[in-house]
Amino acid sequence: EAQVTQNPRYLITVTGKKLTVTCSQNMNHEYMSWYRQDPGLGLRQIYYSMNVEVTDKGDVPEGYKVSRKEKRNFPLILESPSPNQTSLYFCASRDRGGTEAFFGQGTRLTVV
Amino acid sequence: SQQGEEDPQALSIQEGENATMNCSYKTSINNLQWYRQNSGRGLVHLILIRSNEREKHRGRLRVTLDTSKKSSSLLITASRAADTASYFCATDNNNDMRFGAGTRLTVKP
Repeated sequence: EAQVTQNPRYLITVTGKKLTVTCSQNMNHEYMSWYRQDPGLGLRQIYYSMNVEVTDKGDVPEGYKVSRKEKRNFPLILESPSPNQTSLYFCASRDRGGTEAFFGQGTRLTVV
Repeated sequence: SQQGEEDPQALSIQEGENATMNCSYKTSINNLQWYRQNSGRGLVHLILIRSNEREKHRGRLRVTLDTSKKSSSLLITASRAADTASYFCATDNNNDMRFGAGTRLTVKP
């Protein structure tokens, strides 16, 4: 089954404690991206990757890091989480050429 | 920054009625897509319309695109309670996909 898998689904952490949210897709897609969703703001792009070892900042990259060492994986790293990073996070993947995006089920992160 | 802006922000209708949601955007696009999100879950793709298309249908969904006005609309006909969800438009310009804030649709049985 074609899918994008994020883990964990829920996470409560403390300010400053490094964390990683994993994202994996099984569709051999070149393009992957991370979004955060906050009430009234829709989805805002954090980082995206056009291919292995190629990553670019989205609209709200501050406080986040990503890596793309393999085509299927695109982890999101918060080196020193802060309460303003409390949000619902989504990973998405898609093929090149303007196709539909496939989304993971989301990670609800709370930073206290 | 967000590209698409949906209107209205919220819409409440009775089962059987039609629901229309609008999306306006600012820059040129290759295509525009509509997605659905059930409460707090991942977005699911509904329909894609390319910049050289004006109208597209999929089941009870009808999407229009007016590139001269930089706007799109999503019509859901004969709505059902199960259509209750948030709907997002997404503009796609050279693989740069941007989403609006969404329209929250409630369909009352």
